[in-house]
Amino acid sequence: DIQMTQSPSSLSPSVGDRVTITCRASQSIVKYLNWYQQKPGKAPKLLIYAASSLESGVPSRFTGSGSGTDFTLTISSLQPEDFATYYCQQSYNTPHSFGQGTKLQIK
Amino acid sequence: EVQLEQSGAEVKKPGESLKISCTGSGFSFTTYWIAWVRQMPGKGLEWMGIIYPGDSDVRYSPSFQGQVTISADKSINTAYLQWTSLKASDTAMYYCARPKDAYIMDTFDIWGQGTKATVSS
Repeated sequence: DIQMTQSPSSLSPSVGDRVTITCRASQSIVKYLNWYQQKPGKAPKLLIYAASSLESGVPSRFTGSGSGTDFTLTISSLQPEDFATYYCQQSYNTPHSFGQGTKLQIK
Repeated sequence: EVQLEQSGAEVKKPGESLKISCTGSGFSFTTYWIAWVRQMPGKGLEWMGIIYPGDSDVRYSPSFQGQVTISADKSINTAYLQWTSLKASDTAMYYCARPKDAYIMDTFDIWGQGTKATVSS
């Protein structure tokens, strides 16, 4: 199975900050990498697919990049509604494993 | 509207059986894979397995193979996740999810609201 490792596990940024979350795969997954946002008590929401494609309706402050084994999710200017947990997921091989999550907490 | 509607919360005792459901609407159920994702209390997301209702092809994560059964009834646009003998460690929120594109099993853009299963004596 492919292991996905996110860093950091948690972060306490301020509104307006630029935030970067990293996801590393245990083997090359080309660009088969998705990013999801989850708020407490809610189902995950797709933000980015195929490493860098923005899902329809998602604000342009969210960008994804990377290929192979190393990927990043960047939020250019953090908004209050962005405080949530973010997960990466590889869809290269089943099981389509998730990272352990990165929680953005209000400072 | 494209949506997945999951069955309600369940409270069971260890050793009991359980079958939860996920009903799709607004799309061709037989041409989209449907996945199940576990989230234990306070923990992350775990990909359990996925089914193609068109022909009931199922792929399991090795972590869940033999522990659960995924099935579907395409006549009523419903996928199922079931256990024959629950353990306390099965206590979790279970989500079903549908990929963005027909015939392809990755990238979930549609999620059910989740079914909370509590297993306690």
